[in-house]
Amino acid sequence: GENVEQHPSTLSVQEGDSAVIKCTYSDSASNYFPWYKQELGKRPQLIIDIRSNVGEKKDQRIAVTLNKTAKHFSLHITETQPEDSAVYFCAASIIGTYKYIFGTGTRLKVLA
Amino acid sequence: DVKVTQSSRYLVKRTGEKVFLECVQDMDHENMFWYRQDPGLGLRLIYFSYDVKMKEKGDIPEGYSVSREKKERFSLILESASTNQTSMYLCASRPPWGTYEQYFGPGTRLTVT
Repeated sequence: GENVEQHPSTLSVQEGDSAVIKCTYSDSASNYFPWYKQELGKRPQLIIDIRSNVGEKKDQRIAVTLNKTAKHFSLHITETQPEDSAVYFCAASIIGTYKYIFGTGTRLKVLA
Repeated sequence: DVKVTQSSRYLVKRTGEKVFLECVQDMDHENMFWYRQDPGLGLRLIYFSYDVKMKEKGDIPEGYSVSREKKERFSLILESASTNQTSMYLCASRPPWGTYEQYFGPGTRLTVT
C-alpha cells in the first residue's frame, strides 16, 4: 500500500545550525507534500507545503525540496532556534483526493 | 481563524465501555477526519467524511465507527473500548477547495484501563 518513510526519527542540533528531515513516498501519483509541526502538547500545524510542479519552496528559515524522480522530499531549517524544537511530520497526498499519508515523525531538539 | 475543538482533552474509560469522541469545526468545512497518533507510528487515518452522512474508512477503521449528522460535527465511536485503543486521537477538517491544509483539533488523550 501507499507509504511515506521519514528519517531520522530524532535529531539534535546546536542552536544556529541547520536541520534536514527527509521523506520518501511510494505512490508516484502523489503531487502535494505538506509539512506539519507539532509542539509539545499542541496540535499539528502546517508550516510549509509544496506541489509537484515545483522543485523547491522557501519561507524565511524553512525550505522544502522535492525530487519527483527519486520520490524524495526534504525539509530544511536554517539558523535553528530553541522554538524550532518540536515533532515534524511530512505527508503525501494526491490533489483532489481527501487522504494524506503521514510519515512517522521526527523529534527535533535544538540545543541552546 | 479556523477553530477545531474536541470534546475532551483527557478521557479515561474501562474496557468494554462505549466511548464517544466529538469534534466540532466552525468554518463550514465539508471534509473532516479522525486520526490516531502513536509514538513511532505517526498519524494514521481512522475515518474521514466528505459531507453530512457520508463517510469512508481510512487505514485503521477496525473497532471504530463514526457519525456525521451535521456539517460542523464529526463523532468517533469506540463500540467496545479495548486497551489497545489507548492513544491520542486527533480530529481535523479541511475545505473542499482552495487550500489543501488540514486544520487539527487539540487532541483527546484516551486511556482504556
